[in-house]
Amino acid sequence: GAVVSQHPSRVICKSGTSVKIECRSLDFQATTMFWYRQFPKKSLMLMATSNEGSKATYEQGVEKDKFLINHASLTLSTLTVTSAHPEDSSFYICSARRSPGQNIQYFGAGTRLSVL
Amino acid sequence: DQQVKQNSPSLSVQEGRISILNCDYTNSMFDYFLWYKKYPAEGPTFLISISSIKDKNEDGRFTVFLNKSAKHLSLHIVPSQPGDSAVYFCAAGNTGNQFYFGTGTSLTVIP
Repeated sequence: GAVVSQHPSRVICKSGTSVKIECRSLDFQATTMFWYRQFPKKSLMLMATSNEGSKATYEQGVEKDKFLINHASLTLSTLTVTSAHPEDSSFYICSARRSPGQNIQYFGAGTRLSVL
Repeated sequence: DQQVKQNSPSLSVQEGRISILNCDYTNSMFDYFLWYKKYPAEGPTFLISISSIKDKNEDGRFTVFLNKSAKHLSLHIVPSQPGDSAVYFCAAGNTGNQFYFGTGTSLTVIP
Protein backbone atom coordinates (compact mmCIF):
# COMPACT_ATOMS: atom_id res chain seq x y z
CA GLY A 1 0.00 0.00 0.00
CA ALA A 2 0.92 3.64 -0.29
CA VAL A 3 2.90 5.34 2.44
CA VAL A 4 2.05 8.66 4.03
CA SER A 5 4.40 10.14 6.57
CA GLN A 6 3.24 12.64 9.18
CA HIS A 7 5.57 14.62 11.40
CA PRO A 8 5.83 15.25 14.29
CA SER A 9 3.99 12.43 16.00
CA ARG A 10 3.67 14.40 19.20
CA VAL A 11 4.14 18.04 20.08
CA ILE A 12 3.73 19.97 23.29
CA CYS A 13 3.70 23.74 23.05
CA LYS A 14 2.87 26.81 25.07
CA SER A 15 -0.32 28.73 24.56
CA GLY A 16 0.07 31.44 21.93
CA THR A 17 2.71 29.69 19.86
CA SER A 18 2.24 28.23 16.39
CA VAL A 19 2.76 24.62 15.46
CA LYS A 20 3.40 23.18 12.00
CA ILE A 21 2.49 19.60 11.08
CA GLU A 22 3.81 18.04 7.89
CA CYS A 23 2.17 15.38 5.77
CA ARG A 24 4.15 13.71 2.99
CA SER A 25 3.19 11.10 0.45
CA LEU A 26 6.35 9.03 0.11
CA ASP A 27 5.74 6.85 -2.93
CA PHE A 28 3.09 8.66 -4.93
CA GLN A 29 2.05 12.15 -5.92
CA ALA A 30 -1.06 13.38 -4.18
CA THR A 31 -2.99 16.21 -5.75
CA THR A 32 -5.37 16.05 -2.82
CA MET A 33 -4.66 15.60 0.86
CA PHE A 34 -7.07 15.73 3.76
CA TRP A 35 -6.69 16.98 7.31
CA TYR A 36 -8.77 15.45 10.08
CA ARG A 37 -9.15 16.10 13.76
CA GLN A 38 -10.21 13.49 16.25
CA PHE A 39 -11.63 14.21 19.68
CA PRO A 40 -11.64 11.49 22.36
CA LYS A 41 -14.19 8.80 21.61
CA LYS A 42 -15.30 10.66 18.51
CA SER A 43 -14.87 9.93 14.84
CA LEU A 44 -12.38 11.52 12.48
CA MET A 45 -13.76 14.95 11.59
CA LEU A 46 -12.69 16.39 8.26
CA MET A 47 -11.21 19.85 8.76
CA ALA A 48 -10.15 20.71 5.24
CA THR A 49 -9.22 19.38 1.84
CA SER A 50 -5.79 20.45 0.67
CA ASN A 51 -5.36 20.88 -3.07
CA GLU A 52 -1.92 21.19 -4.63
CA GLY A 53 -1.39 24.61 -6.13
CA SER A 54 -4.65 26.11 -4.90
CA LYS A 55 -6.38 27.16 -1.73
CA ALA A 56 -7.60 24.59 0.72
CA THR A 57 -11.30 23.94 1.09
CA TYR A 58 -12.35 24.23 4.71
CA GLU A 59 -15.31 22.50 6.31
CA GLN A 60 -17.99 24.53 8.00
CA GLY A 61 -16.97 25.72 11.43
CA VAL A 62 -13.21 25.39 10.83
CA GLU A 63 -11.36 28.69 11.15
CA LYS A 64 -9.11 29.07 8.12
CA ASP A 65 -7.03 31.74 9.83
CA LYS A 66 -6.46 29.45 12.78
CA PHE A 67 -5.62 26.35 10.79
CA LEU A 68 -3.42 27.35 7.86
CA ILE A 69 -2.99 24.74 5.17
CA ASN A 70 -0.35 24.86 2.48
CA HIS A 71 0.00 22.27 -0.27
CA ALA A 72 3.15 23.48 -1.92
CA SER A 73 4.04 20.34 -3.83
CA LEU A 74 2.51 17.09 -4.99
CA THR A 75 4.02 15.26 -2.02
CA LEU A 76 3.74 17.73 0.84
CA SER A 77 0.91 19.43 2.71
CA THR A 78 1.35 21.34 5.95
CA LEU A 79 -1.11 22.30 8.66
CA THR A 80 -0.13 25.19 10.88
CA VAL A 81 -2.09 25.74 14.06
CA THR A 82 -1.61 29.43 14.71
CA SER A 83 -1.65 31.01 18.17
CA ALA A 84 -2.50 27.66 19.70
CA HIS A 85 -4.71 27.49 22.77
CA PRO A 86 -5.49 24.59 25.09
CA GLU A 87 -8.78 23.94 23.27
CA ASP A 88 -6.73 23.18 20.14
CA SER A 89 -5.22 20.19 21.90
CA SER A 90 -6.28 17.19 19.89
CA PHE A 91 -5.22 14.43 17.55
CA TYR A 92 -4.63 15.63 14.00
CA ILE A 93 -4.26 13.18 11.15
CA CYS A 94 -3.71 13.62 7.44
CA SER A 95 -4.49 11.42 4.49
CA ALA A 96 -3.85 11.41 0.77
CA ARG A 97 -5.32 9.69 -2.23
CA ARG A 98 -3.53 8.71 -5.39
CA SER A 99 -5.98 10.27 -7.81
CA PRO A 100 -9.12 12.41 -7.66
CA GLY A 101 -11.35 9.54 -8.65
CA GLN A 102 -9.99 7.12 -6.09
CA ASN A 103 -11.90 6.54 -2.87
CA ILE A 104 -9.14 4.94 -0.83
CA GLN A 105 -7.28 7.33 1.42
CA TYR A 106 -3.86 6.56 2.83
CA PHE A 107 -3.29 7.91 6.31
CA GLY A 108 -0.38 9.27 8.23
CA ALA A 109 0.18 8.12 11.81
CA GLY A 110 -1.25 11.32 13.27
CA THR A 111 0.01 14.09 15.51
CA ARG A 112 -0.94 14.47 19.14
CA LEU A 113 -0.94 18.18 19.96
CA SER A 114 -0.95 19.30 23.57
CA VAL A 115 -1.16 23.03 24.25
CA LEU A 116 -0.25 24.08 27.77
CA ASP B 1 -24.92 14.90 13.35
CA GLN B 2 -23.08 11.62 13.00
CA GLN B 3 -23.55 10.24 9.49
CA VAL B 4 -21.72 7.02 10.19
CA LYS B 5 -22.14 5.15 13.45
CA GLN B 6 -20.37 2.24 15.02
CA ASN B 7 -22.42 1.51 18.08
CA SER B 8 -20.11 -1.07 19.62
CA PRO B 9 -16.98 0.58 21.00
CA SER B 10 -15.38 -2.76 21.72
CA LEU B 11 -15.64 -6.45 20.88
CA SER B 12 -13.85 -9.51 22.23
CA VAL B 13 -13.68 -12.75 20.29
CA GLN B 14 -11.94 -16.06 20.83
CA GLU B 15 -9.20 -16.95 18.37
CA GLY B 16 -10.54 -19.02 15.50
CA ARG B 17 -14.09 -17.74 15.85
CA ILE B 18 -15.85 -15.17 13.71
CA SER B 19 -15.62 -11.44 14.43
CA ILE B 20 -18.52 -9.32 13.23
CA LEU B 21 -18.16 -5.56 13.28
CA ASN B 22 -21.15 -3.41 12.46
CA CYS B 23 -21.64 0.02 10.97
CA ASP B 24 -24.73 2.09 10.21
CA TYR B 25 -25.05 5.15 8.03
CA THR B 26 -27.76 7.73 7.54
CA ASN B 27 -27.34 8.96 3.96
CA SER B 28 -28.94 6.64 1.41
CA MET B 29 -27.01 8.40 -1.37
CA PHE B 30 -23.63 7.11 -0.21
CA ASP B 31 -22.18 4.92 -2.92
CA TYR B 32 -18.91 3.65 -1.48
CA PHE B 33 -17.91 2.15 1.81
CA LEU B 34 -14.57 1.29 3.33
CA TRP B 35 -13.14 -0.42 6.37
CA TYR B 36 -9.87 0.68 7.92
CA LYS B 37 -7.78 -1.02 10.58
CA LYS B 38 -5.71 0.92 13.07
CA TYR B 39 -2.96 -0.28 15.38
CA PRO B 40 -1.77 1.92 18.26
CA ALA B 41 0.62 4.70 17.23
CA GLU B 42 -0.09 4.08 13.56
CA GLY B 43 -2.48 5.63 11.09
CA PRO B 44 -5.51 3.74 9.80
CA THR B 45 -4.72 1.37 6.96
CA PHE B 46 -7.17 0.41 4.27
CA LEU B 47 -8.62 -3.07 4.70
CA ILE B 48 -11.51 -3.67 2.34
CA SER B 49 -14.18 -1.72 0.50
CA ILE B 50 -17.49 -2.18 -1.25
CA SER B 51 -19.40 -0.27 -3.83
CA SER B 52 -23.13 0.30 -3.47
CA ILE B 53 -23.76 -1.81 -6.57
CA LYS B 54 -22.65 -4.88 -4.63
CA ASP B 55 -23.87 -6.48 -1.45
CA LYS B 56 -20.79 -8.52 -0.64
CA ASN B 57 -17.07 -8.28 -1.15
CA GLU B 58 -14.61 -10.87 0.04
CA ASP B 59 -10.84 -10.73 0.46
CA GLY B 60 -9.31 -13.71 2.19
CA ARG B 61 -10.53 -13.85 5.77
CA PHE B 62 -12.33 -10.53 5.46
CA THR B 63 -15.80 -10.10 4.03
CA VAL B 64 -17.85 -6.94 3.94
CA PHE B 65 -21.62 -7.12 3.62
CA LEU B 66 -23.78 -4.20 2.57
CA ASN B 67 -27.50 -3.93 3.24
CA LYS B 68 -28.60 -0.77 1.45
CA SER B 69 -32.21 -0.93 2.55
CA ALA B 70 -31.12 -1.02 6.17
CA LYS B 71 -28.22 1.38 5.57
CA HIS B 72 -26.00 -1.09 7.34
CA LEU B 73 -22.69 -2.71 6.61
CA SER B 74 -20.71 -5.28 8.48
CA LEU B 75 -17.20 -6.67 8.43
CA HIS B 76 -16.73 -10.37 9.06
CA ILE B 77 -13.35 -11.77 9.98
CA VAL B 78 -13.08 -15.52 9.97
CA PRO B 79 -11.17 -17.15 11.46
CA SER B 80 -10.12 -14.39 13.83
CA GLN B 81 -6.45 -14.22 14.75
CA PRO B 82 -4.68 -12.40 17.61
CA GLY B 83 -3.00 -10.13 15.05
CA ASP B 84 -6.43 -8.87 14.07
CA SER B 85 -6.68 -7.09 17.42
CA ALA B 86 -6.96 -3.42 16.47
CA VAL B 87 -9.44 -0.61 16.12
CA TYR B 88 -11.64 -0.87 13.04
CA PHE B 89 -13.19 2.19 11.42
CA CYS B 90 -15.86 2.16 8.78
CA ALA B 91 -16.23 5.04 6.35
CA ALA B 92 -18.97 5.96 3.90
CA GLY B 93 -19.35 8.58 1.24
CA ASN B 94 -19.65 9.35 -2.42
CA THR B 95 -16.95 8.65 -4.98
CA GLY B 96 -14.66 11.66 -5.34
CA ASN B 97 -16.15 13.47 -2.37
CA GLN B 98 -15.85 13.60 1.39
CA PHE B 99 -15.98 10.39 3.36
CA TYR B 100 -17.44 10.17 6.84
CA PHE B 101 -15.95 7.96 9.49
CA GLY B 102 -17.42 6.06 12.39
CA THR B 103 -15.99 6.23 15.91
CA GLY B 104 -14.31 2.86 15.64
CA THR B 105 -14.67 -0.54 17.27
CA SER B 106 -11.79 -1.96 19.25
CA LEU B 107 -11.47 -5.66 18.51
CA THR B 108 -9.61 -7.97 20.86
CA VAL B 109 -8.95 -11.51 19.70
CA ILE B 110 -8.21 -13.72 22.67
CA PRO B 111 -5.65 -16.49 22.07
